[in-house]
Parts: sequence; C-alpha cells; structure tokens
Amino acid sequence: ILNVEQSPQSLHVQEGDSTNFTCSFPSSNFYALHWYRWETAKSPEALFVMTLNGDEKKKGRISATLNTKEGYSYLYIKGSQPEDSATYLCAPYTGRRALTFGSGTRLQVQP
Amino acid sequence: DGGITQSPKYLFRKEGQNVTLSCEQNLNHDAMYWYRQDPGQGLRLIYYSQIVNDFQKGDIAEGYSVSREKKESFPLTVTSAQKNPTAFYLCASSIGAGTGGPDQPQHFGDGTRLSIL
Repeated sequence: ILNVEQSPQSLHVQEGDSTNFTCSFPSSNFYALHWYRWETAKSPEALFVMTLNGDEKKKGRISATLNTKEGYSYLYIKGSQPEDSATYLCAPYTGRRALTFGSGTRLQVQP
Repeated sequence: DGGITQSPKYLFRKEGQNVTLSCEQNLNHDAMYWYRQDPGQGLRLIYYSQIVNDFQKGDIAEGYSVSREKKESFPLTVTSAQKNPTAFYLCASSIGAGTGGPDQPQHFGDGTRLSIL
C-alpha cells in the first residue's frame, strides 16, 4: 500500500493566522496530486489537482505547490477564517489509476 | 442537478448478514470508487471501477464485493466475511482514466454509516 503522510495531524489557529501543511508521497509511478477539503457533515470537495513538477495552484486565500522529484506538496492558507475549518486530504494518483489518500490534516480556526 | 446519491444514510447489520450499500451517479462518469473511513483515519480504497463490467480491488477489498452492470450504479455489498464492518462508507466518481483520468477530480456522495447490531 502506498505510504502517503500528512502533517500535522491537527492544527488550531486563530482567525487571521496563516498556516500551511505538508503531504509526502512516493515520487515513483506518479501521475497527479489531488487536494480535497472535507467539512463536517459534508462530502469531500476537490480543491486542486496538480500534475507538473513546480506546479502552483491558487483559489482565493488557499494555494498549493508540488515537488514531484522529492515527493511532497504544501497547502497554504493565508489569513485563516472560521469557515476554513475542515479536514484537508491529499491523494496521489498513481499507475493503478486510483487515488491513495493520506489521513488528513484537521484544521480548526478560532474566531 | 448532477450528483452522487448514496443510500441509505444509516444502516445496521446483524451478525452473519450481508448488506448492500447503494451508489448512483448522474454525472455520466466512467469511473466509480468505494472508500471506507474509520475514526482518525483517512479514506481507504475498497474497490474501484474504470468502466462498466470491470472493477479492481483496492487496498482493503477482503469481505466486500461489488458489481458494475450499469454506468450510473456501483453497489457495494458488505459480506458476513467482513468482521469489522462498522465504519463510514463513501462513494465517488470521476471522468475516468480513459479521458484524462489523473487530473480529473473525484466527486463524492454524502456517505453511509454502517453499524453492527
């Protein structure tokens, strides 16, 4: 089973803080890296899909970078808001044509 | 509105019983997936299907079975061989490997919570 690690496991920040978390994955047999946001009582929703080394994606205050050679991706949230509270999941898409999810980073933003 | 429908929302299984979780999508997606989530863990892949009448085992397929007779439907059966079935089950779909699969996001249903009576 592919080893996908996310850190930290959980994070508590104050409203307005900026934060970042890490996703590490094996760099071999790599096709793409997906990030999802999973809010309580909702379904996971796709944030970004990245395929190229050095790729950078941005959606509002959230951005992500990808390093396929060393097998990691960073997710950044600038000026966290309470509505950013969620679990953030990363998942590489590999040659078996499916995603392997990490265990996620649970973010709580205090007003 | 297009989407994925999972039913039921809650399901209870008696010892020795097989139960089937429904997953239907009207997104015209080729690929469908079943995941299991346990407390404190991420999503683990049970089975997936890239096309009708074909499916592959994921990382934790033992004790589960699936069928893919129609494009829009991918039911999951939790058999009596699955000794620890209590978990939250999520179904997802995506455009599929044949048409740019790696960079296509997955769309998820609302899940089914399965418990043992």
